[in-house]
Amino acid sequence: AQSVTQLDSQVPVFEEAPAELRCNYSSSVSVYLFWYVQYPNQGLQLLLKYLSGSTLVKGINGFEAEFNKSQTSFHLRKPSVHISDTAEYFCAVSGYSSASKIIFGSGTRLSIRP
Amino acid sequence: ETGVTQTPRHLVMGMTNKKSLKCEQHLGHNAMYWYKQSAKKPLELMFVYSLEERVENNSVPSRFSPECPNSSHLFLHLHTLQPEDSALYLCASSQGRGPPYEQYFGPGTRLTVT
Repeated sequence: AQSVTQLDSQVPVFEEAPAELRCNYSSSVSVYLFWYVQYPNQGLQLLLKYLSGSTLVKGINGFEAEFNKSQTSFHLRKPSVHISDTAEYFCAVSGYSSASKIIFGSGTRLSIRP
Repeated sequence: ETGVTQTPRHLVMGMTNKKSLKCEQHLGHNAMYWYKQSAKKPLELMFVYSLEERVENNSVPSRFSPECPNSSHLFLHLHTLQPEDSALYLCASSQGRGPPYEQYFGPGTRLTVT
């Protein structure tokens, strides 16, 4: 079984500063990893995903994440954030098998300060 | 309409009421999901339907009753709910039930049980 931990419940960042949202996972098998974003009063939207190949994954809205197998991490980064990036961000993990479920973290609130 | 739609967006109901939540996906997907999102908790997967067949029920109380009449529509019938059932209920769909999950979410129904 897999599990995922988002280490920070809230990350405050000044506008145009870089942001990092941390995610660690636990699994005894290979995994797929995802970041979803939830804007206020909306559902979740897929931001990016790691399936295989390059460990640096680029997503929408200038976000990227790096898969680090040795540290079992999948941290999300953006070099320069905007007010519009204010949202809740969810890390998720699933195994490869057809019986594997997708497990979501508890979320990190990214709050941008002007 | 595109994507995944949910109605109503907000619902207030008493503990003795019966109501239904509706989800419709316009993506041609063959799997649909109900999630419960409570404050400060990870998303809880409630039900999974694949090709209109319920394939997963995660120990959800019987006061929640799902229905999937076809691959585009999903309902959640509610009766005799409790105040702790107040939450955001999210519907999602995907092409295929297994990993790698790329789920598309609706905007959710904000349910308040009084």
